[in-house]
Amino acid sequence: GAGVSQSPSNKVTEKGKDVELRCDPISGHTALYWYRQSLGQGLEFLIYFQGNSAPDKSGLPSDRFSAERTGGSVSTLTIQRTQQEDSAVYLCASSNRALNSETQYFGPGTRLLVL
Amino acid sequence: AQSVTQPDIHITVSEGASLELRCNYSYGATPYLFWYVQSPGQGLQLLLKYFSGDTLVQGIKGFEAEFKRSQSSFNLRKPSVHWSDAAEYFCAVTFTGGGNKLTFGTGTQLKVEL
Repeated sequence: GAGVSQSPSNKVTEKGKDVELRCDPISGHTALYWYRQSLGQGLEFLIYFQGNSAPDKSGLPSDRFSAERTGGSVSTLTIQRTQQEDSAVYLCASSNRALNSETQYFGPGTRLLVL
Repeated sequence: AQSVTQPDIHITVSEGASLELRCNYSYGATPYLFWYVQSPGQGLQLLLKYFSGDTLVQGIKGFEAEFKRSQSSFNLRKPSVHWSDAAEYFCAVTFTGGGNKLTFGTGTQLKVEL
């Protein structure tokens, strides 16, 4: 079946603008994760969804970052008032915890550049 | 807090040579361990994983890894490297009940000389 998809694949924005990044998980996967990959910080966890709720949002770096998930499927990560340090690759992953499987499958990422 | 160490930032091997990438973790609970590979401009692809049982696990593309609890290690190996194996390799850890967020190592960039 189809893997995790993310859109847009690339996004260039100006400092201070808001951006929305979208993730479509593998069909049937109940868990969804957002990570950020940057040169200075490596791969960092941002937030985890189980269904539509987010039991762990401990990795969100500031209140400018928020995420939601609707219908137990698509998720949107929103960054408000973007800063240059937000430039990174934002990766989404999903897993099927219903099968007690902890493997996370990753999408191709959204490359965000804040000018 | 959990942490993962990949001590080698860059490794260069000749095509056909054997490969070992090191990974050490610091974790209180029983870990779930993973190796992912990332080619330039791509997402992360799962190579293999260890949950329990046999400590030597086989993965895709001819890779294997061995879990050694006494050394807190999960090293990745391949007996004969191909030029197409050039990529960045990430070791990651999580545990059941912790929301399964992955903690990643800093990655090892593999270069293969022809």
